[in-house]
Amino acid sequence: DTAVSQTPKYLVTQMGNDKSIKCEQNLGHDTMYWYKQDSKKFLKIMFSYNNKELIINETVPNRFSPKSPDKAHLNLHINSLELGDSAVYFCASRAPGLAGETQYFGPGTRLLVL
Amino acid sequence: GQQLNQSPQSMFIQEGEDVSMNCTSSSIFNTWLWYKQDPGEGPVLLIALYKAGELTSNGRLTAQFGITRKDSFLNISASIPSDVGIYFCAGRLIFGGGADGLTFGKGTHLIIQP
Repeated sequence: DTAVSQTPKYLVTQMGNDKSIKCEQNLGHDTMYWYKQDSKKFLKIMFSYNNKELIINETVPNRFSPKSPDKAHLNLHINSLELGDSAVYFCASRAPGLAGETQYFGPGTRLLVL
Repeated sequence: GQQLNQSPQSMFIQEGEDVSMNCTSSSIFNTWLWYKQDPGEGPVLLIALYKAGELTSNGRLTAQFGITRKDSFLNISASIPSDVGIYFCAGRLIFGGGADGLTFGKGTHLIIQP
């Protein structure tokens, strides 16, 4: 079974549209994240979410908003998509405690804004 | 923000050769992690390091957490074609609690020539 899953894997859309990416983890982890990987493969944290506490990277535009309907899901909503939003978005999760210092990543969602 | 300097940026080696890559930072990290990313996939954890000076192996892979807590290296012995990919170091500044994310290096692209 896939530990961290994301849908869709590919997303092609027009500039100005609103879109959502879904993430689910079946690991029972408490903390989930969204990362953005740019064309140069640089990975950067966007959000972390733990027990209803959201921490936002200050560089992330407010057009991006995570929504967590329950502990196993952290979806990413993007409003008014821009060309520069094109990237690969990764969801990740982390367990509490020492062993939870590691994070487990989903397969990624490749977003292309035209 | 915090930065990790990862080197080399890319490596072109012959199959069977040993590989070495490292990460350094101006900040002290409590955890060092090494991930590998295959094309079209999310990063997969290879080795996690939790203590300064810790040396950990995973098959042909060996990684060490520097004594100063500001650096780490990853070695791959006797490389094989499936070792091709991008290797990322990552560090976490805050131990336990908090909903913060990992800081990633810019990756080392490993290319193996048969």
